Amino acid sequence: GNSVTQMEGPVTLSEEAFLTINCTYTATGYPSLFWYVQYPGEGLQLLLKATKADDKGSNKGFEATYRKETTSFHLEKGSVQVSDSAVYFCALMTIKAAGNKLTFGGGTRVLVKP
Amino acid sequence: GAGVSQTPSNKVTEKGKYVELRCDPISGHTALYWYRQSLGQGPEFLIYFQGTGAADDSGLPNDRFFAVRPEGSVSTLKIQRTERGDSAVYLCASSPRLAGGTGELFFGEGSRLTVL
Repeated sequence: GNSVTQMEGPVTLSEEAFLTINCTYTATGYPSLFWYVQYPGEGLQLLLKATKADDKGSNKGFEATYRKETTSFHLEKGSVQVSDSAVYFCALMTIKAAGNKLTFGGGTRVLVKP
Repeated sequence: GAGVSQTPSNKVTEKGKYVELRCDPISGHTALYWYRQSLGQGPEFLIYFQGTGAADDSGLPNDRFFAVRPEGSVSTLKIQRTERGDSAVYLCASSPRLAGGTGELFFGEGSRLTVL
């Protein structure tokens, strides 16, 4: 079956620090990969995605590269801001005849201090 | 509003009671998903609908859980004989269709269920 493993938090950083959140996956078939973010008091929202090997997804200064050889999709940001404090979820989706569903990792809480 | 709306935002009930959680998706979205998120964990798939029919209900944990979407818009998740282990945040999401390869689901803020 499909599964996603991501590093446990919380991750506490100072503003302008470099952020990495590790994510690895197991999937049947050829998945698309995603990072979702949940800001305090808000619903989950898509941050970025990659649909095939070596693709790089990027948004809001965050990047992640689809690495098929290591089954990984690590999230990075070069200089975090206080507003990046949130819970980040790695997820995958495989397309089936009956439709699609996302499988999520356990989430990583990130706290950025001024 | 323009987003996915879930009611109630908070529900406290007693063990053994019946609970209904409502989801109003984004207008025009044909696909609707229910997820459950326990404290400190990621969302866990329960069921999704394409239109009025349940396309995949493989995530429903047992027959106490049931969901309907009679007119292809609003959906209700129904939990019978609630147990303390059902306490979680129940998330609803919608997408224009079965999300194709985009993977973008639009989530509501969730309904927090506490079973005493």
